[in-house]
Amino acid sequence: QSVLTQPPSVSAAPGQRVTISCSGSSSDIGNNYVSWYQQLPGTAPKLLIYDNNKRPSGIPDRFSGSKSGTSATLDITGLQTGDEADYYCGTWDSSLSAGVFGGGTKLTVL
Amino acid sequence: QVQLVQSGSELKRPGASVKVSCKTSGYTFNVYSINWLRQAPGQGLEWMGWINANTGNPTYAQGFAGRFVFSLDSSVSTAYLQISSLEAEDTAVYYCARDAATIRFDYWGQGALVIVSS
Repeated sequence: QSVLTQPPSVSAAPGQRVTISCSGSSSDIGNNYVSWYQQLPGTAPKLLIYDNNKRPSGIPDRFSGSKSGTSATLDITGLQTGDEADYYCGTWDSSLSAGVFGGGTKLTVL
Repeated sequence: QVQLVQSGSELKRPGASVKVSCKTSGYTFNVYSINWLRQAPGQGLEWMGWINANTGNPTYAQGFAGRFVFSLDSSVSTAYLQISSLEAEDTAVYYCARDAATIRFDYWGQGALVIVSS
């Protein structure tokens, strides 16, 4: 069972917008930065968002992140079929002194 | 460019050991820690711990102390994960990842599949 809670799946049509939530607690999201990772089928995860809302070089601005209290959100606009992937949120848990992740959300672009 | 290249897939018998390598290039090795993550078949990401590439000091997540050992060979900019007394439950893809800050994994290895089966 993952420390962070994500919906198992989300779906939307091409061109639409989707939001993926990540819920935690004061010991993890509440007091630490959140990162988001995209894992395309059969590949290694890729950093999408770091420090709650920053994008690494090369990540399109269709991807955005935010954090409020003990929850974080990944927004993807202008959905493309190539966005079909598993998305993970991750952060540090100060109580556990460990990295923690959500269980992952499978995005289907219908 | 930054690259992390891991060793290939392994098929091991229960009770055996395996050593996965993570060869890095394109950056100064001792500036960034290397983290190890596990992904069991059809499951999510699990953080195993990290090794300080400057000091060589490893830190293990709960559940990964004992049979799992992180090590380095700085002369070849390579990190290693050794797992001993393998169990079927160790079957997974093991990833190394460079940590740009706490749990900010900006570069990943391609993953190494370890299958434990009799």
